[in-house]
Amino acid sequence: GAVVSQHPSWVICKSGTSVKIECRSLDFQATTMFWYRQFPKQSLMLMATSNEGSKATYEQGVEKDKFLINHASLTLSTLTVTSAHPEDSSFYICSAPRDLNTEAFFGQGTRLTVV
Amino acid sequence: SQQGEEDPQALSIQEGENATMNCSYKTSINNLQWYRQNSGRGLVHLILIRSNEREKHSGRLRVTLDTSKKSSSLLITASRAADTASYFCATTDSSYKLIFGSGTRLLVRP
Repeated sequence: GAVVSQHPSWVICKSGTSVKIECRSLDFQATTMFWYRQFPKQSLMLMATSNEGSKATYEQGVEKDKFLINHASLTLSTLTVTSAHPEDSSFYICSAPRDLNTEAFFGQGTRLTVV
Repeated sequence: SQQGEEDPQALSIQEGENATMNCSYKTSINNLQWYRQNSGRGLVHLILIRSNEREKHSGRLRVTLDTSKKSSSLLITASRAADTASYFCATTDSSYKLIFGSGTRLLVRP
């Protein structure tokens, strides 16, 4: 079946540095991918919609200059957390839909810890 | 949450009992999906029910959907300790966006 691969699965970085997270669709082309963030014991919050070949669409309250999204090909979207701070520590997960009435495929998630 | 609420927020039951979780949402939907998440891990897709369906079964899972009330329920029958996890409903509209409910933390005691 279709698989979405996310890398890295976990990362620890120093405050002020940037971290890039990759999301790849392995056996189908994904013109649209979604990025979510999940804080401990909370639900998944949609951050942005990544559109191949065009600008990402951000949800209200998400800083587009802090969370840079690039969707340069039909199989790869990247999320870069710029100038990370401890409050950015969270679980980030991507998803790629294939059809409107089939399950969405999720990456494995990335646990980011900013120290 | 961005879409709606789930209740209960937490549920503790004995192994063998049934677990029922409810989900309410706010907008028109194309389908509703249920996911399971073990602590600190990725999501496992459980079941998808389309907006024109009222009930769906998969193994020990039974999902209902009432679009007039904008609500859904997930029933897990004959629960097992391995069912301990967080359960989320999520809805999609024509934009493909998947919006999650607040989740229910289920604890199944052996």
